[in-house]
Amino acid sequence: GENVEQHPSTLSVQEGDSAVIKCTYSDSASNYFPWYKQELGKRPQLIIDIRSNVGEKKDQRIAVTLNKTAKHFSLHITETQPEDSAVYFCAASKVNFGNEKLTFGTGTRLTIIP
Amino acid sequence: DTEVTQTPKHLVMGMTNKKSLKCEQHMGHRAMYWYKQKAKKPPELMFVYSYEKLSINESVPSRFSPECPNSSLLNLHLHALQPEDSALYLCASSQVPRNWSYEQYFGPGTRLTVT
Repeated sequence: GENVEQHPSTLSVQEGDSAVIKCTYSDSASNYFPWYKQELGKRPQLIIDIRSNVGEKKDQRIAVTLNKTAKHFSLHITETQPEDSAVYFCAASKVNFGNEKLTFGTGTRLTIIP
Repeated sequence: DTEVTQTPKHLVMGMTNKKSLKCEQHMGHRAMYWYKQKAKKPPELMFVYSYEKLSINESVPSRFSPECPNSSLLNLHLHALQPEDSALYLCASSQVPRNWSYEQYFGPGTRLTVT
């Protein structure tokens, strides 16, 4: 089955600086890679996702890059703000018509220092 | 309505009790999921229903019994649980991919404590 590794497990960044979280996956057939943000006591929420036929995707301060050959993908957050503090999970999946089995990474606790 | 709702928010039960968790969505999604999340860990998939049929069971113990009465509702029946089953139980739903939309929408979860 799929295995997703995520690093670092904790990350502290000065407000306004950039944060980068990296994930690797094992199954070359995986073709969908979402990132979820989970604030304390709240539900995971999708912040950005990328398909395997795309190398990079950007949404305002958030970007994701994918290297299929190396089987790794990364989340980049620029101009970090205090509200970015949360746990971030990467995930990988083989899309199967609404029947996706998401395999999550172990999570990164991001703390933005004011 | 882009929301998945779950009841109850909190549940405390003894090891001999029988209880049920409920999940509801009105987004027309045809895939629904149960996840278990322990503290400081990622969500772990338990079950997937696709078009109201169980399509994935991640070798979950039989003391957890899922049910999908219709396309909007998903239940998780609990019986003879163990203290180690205490966790946050998350429900999620997603639509059949259209225009490459695969997002899983999560509910707020039920915080379960087994005493």
